[in-house]
Amino acid sequence: ETGVTQSPTHLIKTRGQQVTLRCSSQSGHNTVSWYQQALGQGPQFIFQYYREEENGRGNFPPRFSGLQFPNYSSELNVNALELDDSALYLCASSRQGTYNEQFFGPGTRLTVL
Amino acid sequence: GQNIDQPTEMTATEGAIVQINCTYQTSGFNGLFWYQQHAGEAPTFLSYNVLDGLEEKGRFSSFLSRSKGYSYLLLKELQMKDSASYLCAVRDNAGNMLTFGGGTRLMVKP
Repeated sequence: ETGVTQSPTHLIKTRGQQVTLRCSSQSGHNTVSWYQQALGQGPQFIFQYYREEENGRGNFPPRFSGLQFPNYSSELNVNALELDDSALYLCASSRQGTYNEQFFGPGTRLTVL
Repeated sequence: GQNIDQPTEMTATEGAIVQINCTYQTSGFNGLFWYQQHAGEAPTFLSYNVLDGLEEKGRFSSFLSRSKGYSYLLLKELQMKDSASYLCAVRDNAGNMLTFGGGTRLMVKP
């Protein structure tokens, strides 16, 4: 148990719909990173939030957006869902610093039909 | 660009030692992480290297050579529960992005 929680656990959507995924960070952590993990592959960095601002972004289109709240929890929003968006979405919390080990939540399994 | 390579699959015997290699070519480097991920679960942190050399942590050790862009994870006294995917990840200079390899699926047999 890392203390990082995500909701929902599983989600099924259809192409073109929008989805919001949620993440609560570990106590004392002020940074949240989001990753997309396709089946059989390693996680791919989507973006990171620190102090409610986007603090780095991977190679994902603008229809992937996020928010961080004052309590450091975070949301990932995906608009205009595509079949290829089907994946496990992981959030990881950390503290800003030279070490900043990232602790992962259990993930949300998104299926787009 | 970022490129991290590790073998797709490995098989080893219970009680043995296994070494999982990772090579990387990245535009920036601020540390290398190893994570373990059991099927259907979140990755869990195993080790961190930022300087050259060996870091030992119980049955797990990790080695880094920055000049060669190379790391390995060494697992000793293998147990059945070590069957999992092992992910190598490099952190960028800004310290906020982890680039992962595709993972190595390790199967431990009796």
